[in-house]
Amino acid sequence: GEDVEQSLFLSVREGDSSVINCTYTDSSSTYLYWYKQEPGAGLQLLTYIFSNMDMKQDQRLTVLLNKKDKHLSLRIADTQTGDSAIYFCALSGGYQKVTFGTGTKLQVIP
Amino acid sequence: KAGVTQTPRYLIKTRGQQVTLSCSPISGHRSVSWYQQTPGQGLQFLFEYFSETQRNKGNFPGRFSGRQFSNSRSEMNVSTLELGDSALYLCASSLAGTSSEQFFGPGTRLTVL
Repeated sequence: GEDVEQSLFLSVREGDSSVINCTYTDSSSTYLYWYKQEPGAGLQLLTYIFSNMDMKQDQRLTVLLNKKDKHLSLRIADTQTGDSAIYFCALSGGYQKVTFGTGTKLQVIP
Repeated sequence: KAGVTQTPRYLIKTRGQQVTLSCSPISGHRSVSWYQQTPGQGLQFLFEYFSETQRNKGNFPGRFSGRQFSNSRSEMNVSTLELGDSALYLCASSLAGTSSEQFFGPGTRLTVL
């Protein structure tokens, strides 16, 4: 099955950029997502990218996809304390069977 | 438009009991997926229903089952509960098809004692 790996923890200072990385094994995934989970809450879809794209920008968020290296990243510009949460990358090859990464806990230091 | 709702939000059961969790999707959404989230295993896909049919299934034992009603509401059932079933159970709905975004509910926190 698909393996999706993320580093467990990232700490950044408020105002800096955050880069959260994700590596995966199955190259057949069609849709690649980034979700945010705040304490005690469900998952919030932040953005997604199709596998035929290399980059997508959405306000403070930039998603980069390197298909050759099977690497997905999420860059958050001007990181704020409200961005502190767990971030999951997720992949889907079809229908709604989505495989989630292990999650990266982002801590923003004021 | 109301979001995905899940009931109950919190549940405490004992080993051997069974439990039924409910999910009401966003109006118009016909696909409902269920996920289990635990600290050790992370987020794992349970199953997905579309138009009352199970369209996809994860690697969980038969104690985990689900169904979807004609109004797209879905229930999942776990029989003969084990301590390891303690988790946050998340439901997600989407319109349908491969390109649909999934919208998640707040989850049901199940504790098995």
